[in-house]
Amino acid sequence: AQSVSQHNHHVILSEAASLELGCNYSYGGTVNLFWYVQYPGQHLQLLLKYFSGDPLVKGIKGFEAEFIKSKFSFNLRKPSVQWSDTAEYFCAVNARAGGFKTIFGAGTRLFVKA
Amino acid sequence: EPEVTQTPSHQVTQMGQEVILRCVPISNHLYFYWYRQILGQKVEFLVSFYNNEISEKSEIFDDQFSVERPDGSNFTLKIRSTKLEDSAMYFCASSEPPVSGNTIYFGEGSWLTVV
Repeated sequence: AQSVSQHNHHVILSEAASLELGCNYSYGGTVNLFWYVQYPGQHLQLLLKYFSGDPLVKGIKGFEAEFIKSKFSFNLRKPSVQWSDTAEYFCAVNARAGGFKTIFGAGTRLFVKA
Repeated sequence: EPEVTQTPSHQVTQMGQEVILRCVPISNHLYFYWYRQILGQKVEFLVSFYNNEISEKSEIFDDQFSVERPDGSNFTLKIRSTKLEDSAMYFCASSEPPVSGNTIYFGEGSWLTVV
């Protein structure tokens, strides 16, 4: 069965600090990978996604993520965070052989200090 | 940009009552989903729906839950007899066919409080 693990449950950074949120998945087949963001009181919004091709994908608001197949990882990065990036970030995976059910990690709560 | 819309945004109901949460998926999408997020916890898959039938459901989606697409636009989640532990944010989502990688787009959620 597919699973997704996010290593950090809570992250606190100062503005302008660099961000890296870890995500590892468990599945042996071909997967599609996503990062979603949930701002306080709001719904889930897609940040970026990887289906195939260049393993370094760029998303909205300056976020990027790198798919490393050998490590089953899809870490999210941002060179310089802003106070407005305070939110919860969810890594998600679906797999063609899994019927494309999307499974979410437990989420990482990011708090950026102004 | 097309959106998934959900109603109501917030509902308070008494334990044992039936609740129907409504969703209008993005119009050209064919796959529909319900997810749930209990306060402070992870987003959990409930059910997926395609071609007028359930394609997959989780352990959470027991006999108290049902889904329906009563017309060409709405997609509903019914909870027959609500329990306190059903209190959560329920997200509807829809996606294009899997050939497009099955990116799911979420509605803003319906916050259900069972008292």
